Amino acid sequence: DGGITQSPKYLFRKEGQNVTLSCEQNLNHDAMYWYRQDPGQGLRLIYYSQIVNDFQKGDIAEGYSVSREKKESFPLTVTSAQKNPTAFYLCASRGSSGGYNEQFFGPGTRLTVL
Amino acid sequence: SQKIEQNSEALNIQEGKTATLTCNYTNYSPAYLQWYRQDPGRGPVFLLLIRENEKEKRKERLKVTFDTTLKQSLFHITASQPADSATYLCALVSSYNTDKLIFGTGTRLQVFP
Repeated sequence: DGGITQSPKYLFRKEGQNVTLSCEQNLNHDAMYWYRQDPGQGLRLIYYSQIVNDFQKGDIAEGYSVSREKKESFPLTVTSAQKNPTAFYLCASRGSSGGYNEQFFGPGTRLTVL
Repeated sequence: SQKIEQNSEALNIQEGKTATLTCNYTNYSPAYLQWYRQDPGRGPVFLLLIRENEKEKRKERLKVTFDTTLKQSLFHITASQPADSATYLCALVSSYNTDKLIFGTGTRLQVFP
Protein backbone atom coordinates (compact mmCIF):
# COMPACT_ATOMS: atom_id res chain seq x y z
CA ASP A 1 0.00 0.00 0.00
CA GLY A 2 1.93 3.02 -1.28
CA GLY A 3 1.75 6.44 0.25
CA ILE A 4 3.12 8.97 2.68
CA THR A 5 2.92 8.56 6.42
CA GLN A 6 3.40 11.22 9.05
CA SER A 7 3.68 10.67 12.75
CA PRO A 8 2.47 11.49 15.24
CA LYS A 9 -0.97 12.81 14.24
CA TYR A 10 -1.11 15.10 17.28
CA LEU A 11 1.90 16.45 19.15
CA PHE A 12 2.12 18.61 22.23
CA ARG A 13 5.26 20.42 23.18
CA LYS A 14 6.33 22.70 25.98
CA GLU A 15 7.86 26.02 25.10
CA GLY A 16 11.62 25.81 24.67
CA GLN A 17 11.66 22.19 23.55
CA ASN A 18 12.76 20.91 20.16
CA VAL A 19 10.48 18.37 18.50
CA THR A 20 10.91 16.19 15.40
CA LEU A 21 8.09 15.33 13.01
CA SER A 22 8.39 12.17 10.98
CA CYS A 23 7.65 11.81 7.25
CA GLU A 24 8.12 8.55 5.34
CA GLN A 25 7.15 7.67 1.76
CA ASN A 26 7.28 4.39 -0.14
CA LEU A 27 6.42 5.91 -3.52
CA ASN A 28 10.07 5.99 -4.62
CA HIS A 29 9.75 9.74 -5.11
CA ASP A 30 12.87 11.90 -5.36
CA ALA A 31 11.40 15.19 -4.15
CA MET A 32 9.95 15.80 -0.69
CA TYR A 33 8.46 18.90 0.90
CA TRP A 34 7.41 20.30 4.27
CA TYR A 35 4.59 22.83 4.59
CA ARG A 36 2.99 24.67 7.43
CA GLN A 37 -0.73 25.55 7.42
CA ASP A 38 -2.33 28.01 9.83
CA PRO A 39 -6.11 28.42 10.23
CA GLY A 40 -7.68 30.10 7.23
CA GLN A 41 -4.38 30.22 5.37
CA GLY A 42 -2.83 28.34 2.53
CA LEU A 43 0.23 26.13 2.68
CA ARG A 44 3.59 27.80 3.22
CA LEU A 45 6.76 26.03 2.22
CA ILE A 46 9.31 25.39 4.99
CA TYR A 47 11.95 23.19 3.33
CA TYR A 48 12.19 20.95 0.29
CA SER A 49 14.57 18.34 -1.00
CA GLN A 50 15.06 17.21 -4.59
CA ILE A 51 17.53 14.43 -3.83
CA VAL A 52 19.13 12.56 -0.97
CA ASN A 53 21.64 14.59 1.08
CA ASP A 54 20.44 17.86 -0.41
CA PHE A 55 17.71 20.30 0.64
CA GLN A 56 16.73 23.95 0.17
CA LYS A 57 15.04 26.53 2.35
CA GLY A 58 11.50 27.48 1.52
CA ASP A 59 9.73 30.71 2.38
CA ILE A 60 9.60 30.24 6.17
CA ALA A 61 12.64 28.14 7.12
CA GLU A 62 13.66 30.11 10.21
CA GLY A 63 13.35 28.02 13.37
CA TYR A 64 13.18 24.73 11.46
CA SER A 65 15.74 22.15 10.34
CA VAL A 66 15.60 19.05 8.13
CA SER A 67 17.71 16.14 6.99
CA ARG A 68 17.51 13.84 3.97
CA GLU A 69 19.75 10.87 4.69
CA LYS A 70 17.45 8.37 2.98
CA LYS A 71 15.25 8.72 -0.09
CA GLU A 72 12.14 7.62 1.77
CA SER A 73 12.55 9.82 4.86
CA PHE A 74 12.48 13.59 5.40
CA PRO A 75 12.14 14.47 9.11
CA LEU A 76 11.44 18.03 10.22
CA THR A 77 12.71 19.44 13.52
CA VAL A 78 10.88 22.38 15.02
CA THR A 79 13.40 24.14 17.22
CA SER A 80 12.91 26.42 20.18
CA ALA A 81 13.91 29.28 17.88
CA GLN A 82 10.56 29.00 16.07
CA LYS A 83 8.49 31.72 17.75
CA ASN A 84 5.02 30.50 16.85
CA PRO A 85 5.21 26.77 16.16
CA THR A 86 1.57 25.84 16.79
CA ALA A 87 0.24 24.81 13.37
CA PHE A 88 -0.74 21.94 11.09
CA TYR A 89 2.34 20.47 9.36
CA LEU A 90 2.08 18.68 6.04
CA CYS A 91 4.67 16.57 4.26
CA ALA A 92 4.49 15.88 0.52
CA SER A 93 6.43 14.10 -2.17
CA ARG A 94 6.66 14.35 -5.94
CA GLY A 95 7.76 11.89 -8.58
CA SER A 96 10.38 13.71 -10.63
CA SER A 97 12.36 16.85 -10.15
CA GLY A 98 11.19 19.77 -12.27
CA GLY A 99 8.41 17.76 -13.90
CA TYR A 100 4.70 18.42 -14.10
CA ASN A 101 3.90 15.75 -11.53
CA GLU A 102 1.49 16.51 -8.77
CA GLN A 103 2.43 16.41 -5.10
CA PHE A 104 1.17 13.64 -2.83
CA PHE A 105 0.46 14.70 0.73
CA GLY A 106 0.59 12.89 4.04
CA PRO A 107 -2.21 13.11 6.63
CA GLY A 108 -0.48 15.88 8.59
CA THR A 109 0.74 16.44 12.15
CA ARG A 110 -0.98 18.96 14.35
CA LEU A 111 1.56 20.53 16.70
CA THR A 112 0.44 22.45 19.76
CA VAL A 113 2.81 24.33 22.00
CA LEU A 114 1.62 24.53 25.58
CA SER B 1 4.61 41.83 -4.61
CA GLN B 2 3.71 38.31 -5.66
CA LYS B 3 0.25 37.08 -4.70
CA ILE B 4 -2.09 34.19 -5.31
CA GLU B 5 -5.60 35.07 -4.25
CA GLN B 6 -8.68 32.94 -3.78
CA ASN B 7 -12.02 34.00 -2.35
CA SER B 8 -11.63 33.91 1.41
CA GLU B 9 -15.37 33.76 1.95
CA ALA B 10 -17.04 30.37 1.77
CA LEU B 11 -19.05 29.56 -1.32
CA ASN B 12 -22.48 28.11 -0.52
CA ILE B 13 -24.48 26.52 -3.33
CA GLN B 14 -27.38 24.18 -3.77
CA GLU B 15 -26.92 20.59 -4.85
CA GLY B 16 -27.06 20.16 -8.60
CA LYS B 17 -25.79 23.65 -9.39
CA THR B 18 -22.38 24.49 -10.83
CA ALA B 19 -19.78 25.77 -8.39
CA THR B 20 -17.18 28.20 -9.76
CA LEU B 21 -14.06 29.02 -7.77
CA THR B 22 -11.56 31.72 -8.71
CA CYS B 23 -7.80 31.89 -8.45
CA ASN B 24 -6.03 35.14 -9.34
CA TYR B 25 -2.29 35.71 -9.36
CA THR B 26 -0.03 38.73 -9.71
CA ASN B 27 3.65 39.06 -10.55
CA TYR B 28 4.16 35.43 -11.40
CA SER B 29 5.07 33.82 -14.68
CA PRO B 30 3.38 30.45 -14.25
CA ALA B 31 4.54 27.34 -16.05
CA TYR B 32 1.40 25.54 -14.93
CA LEU B 33 -1.29 25.59 -12.28
CA GLN B 34 -2.79 22.83 -10.15
CA TRP B 35 -5.98 22.46 -8.13
CA TYR B 36 -6.24 20.43 -4.90
CA ARG B 37 -9.06 19.43 -2.60
CA GLN B 38 -8.56 19.49 1.19
CA ASP B 39 -10.95 18.03 3.73
CA PRO B 40 -10.80 19.25 7.36
CA GLY B 41 -7.79 17.90 9.25
CA ARG B 42 -6.39 16.09 6.23
CA GLY B 43 -3.74 16.62 3.56
CA PRO B 44 -4.65 18.07 0.15
CA VAL B 45 -5.46 15.73 -2.72
CA PHE B 46 -4.52 16.57 -6.32
CA LEU B 47 -7.40 17.11 -8.74
CA LEU B 48 -6.28 18.75 -11.99
CA LEU B 49 -3.30 20.37 -13.67
CA ILE B 50 -3.36 22.90 -16.51
CA ARG B 51 -0.36 24.21 -18.42
CA GLU B 52 0.17 27.86 -19.34
CA ASN B 53 -0.44 27.13 -23.01
CA GLU B 54 -3.74 25.33 -22.34
CA LYS B 55 -7.08 27.13 -22.12
CA GLU B 56 -9.22 24.42 -20.58
CA LYS B 57 -8.96 20.99 -18.96
CA ARG B 58 -11.74 18.61 -17.99
CA LYS B 59 -12.03 15.56 -15.77
CA GLU B 60 -15.47 14.06 -15.17
CA ARG B 61 -17.51 16.83 -13.45
CA LEU B 62 -14.48 19.10 -13.05
CA LYS B 63 -13.32 21.79 -15.43
CA VAL B 64 -10.40 24.20 -15.12
CA THR B 65 -9.70 27.22 -17.29
CA PHE B 66 -6.53 29.26 -17.43
CA ASP B 67 -6.34 32.80 -18.79
CA THR B 68 -2.77 34.13 -18.67
CA THR B 69 -3.93 37.53 -19.95
CA LEU B 70 -6.34 37.98 -17.04
CA LYS B 71 -3.92 36.10 -14.74
CA GLN B 72 -6.76 33.93 -13.58
CA SER B 73 -7.85 30.31 -13.32
CA LEU B 74 -11.44 29.22 -12.80
CA PHE B 75 -12.38 25.86 -11.30
CA HIS B 76 -15.86 24.52 -12.02
CA ILE B 77 -17.72 21.60 -10.45
CA THR B 78 -20.87 20.77 -12.40
CA ALA B 79 -23.85 18.96 -10.88
CA SER B 80 -22.39 19.59 -7.44
CA GLN B 81 -23.08 17.17 -4.60
CA PRO B 82 -22.85 17.52 -0.80
CA ALA B 83 -19.80 15.22 -1.00
CA ASP B 84 -18.02 17.98 -2.95
CA SER B 85 -18.00 20.14 0.20
CA ALA B 86 -14.36 20.86 1.04
CA THR B 87 -11.68 23.52 0.71
CA TYR B 88 -10.19 23.89 -2.75
CA LEU B 89 -6.65 25.16 -3.17
CA CYS B 90 -5.01 26.46 -6.29
CA ALA B 91 -1.24 26.23 -6.61
CA LEU B 92 1.03 27.48 -9.32
CA VAL B 93 4.50 26.57 -10.46
CA SER B 94 6.61 29.49 -11.54
CA SER B 95 8.54 29.16 -14.77
CA TYR B 96 11.56 30.46 -12.83
CA ASN B 97 11.53 27.57 -10.37
CA THR B 98 9.62 24.47 -11.35
CA ASP B 99 10.69 22.56 -8.23
CA LYS B 100 8.09 24.03 -5.90
CA LEU B 101 4.39 24.88 -5.68
CA ILE B 102 3.06 28.21 -4.45
CA PHE B 103 -0.37 27.82 -2.84
CA GLY B 104 -3.32 30.16 -2.58
CA THR B 105 -5.27 30.46 0.66
CA GLY B 106 -8.09 28.20 -0.53
CA THR B 107 -11.85 28.61 -0.84
CA ARG B 108 -14.28 26.58 1.25
CA LEU B 109 -17.17 25.15 -0.73
CA GLN B 110 -20.39 24.06 1.00
CA VAL B 111 -22.98 22.21 -1.09
CA PHE B 112 -26.43 22.01 0.47
CA PRO B 113 -28.96 19.27 -0.39
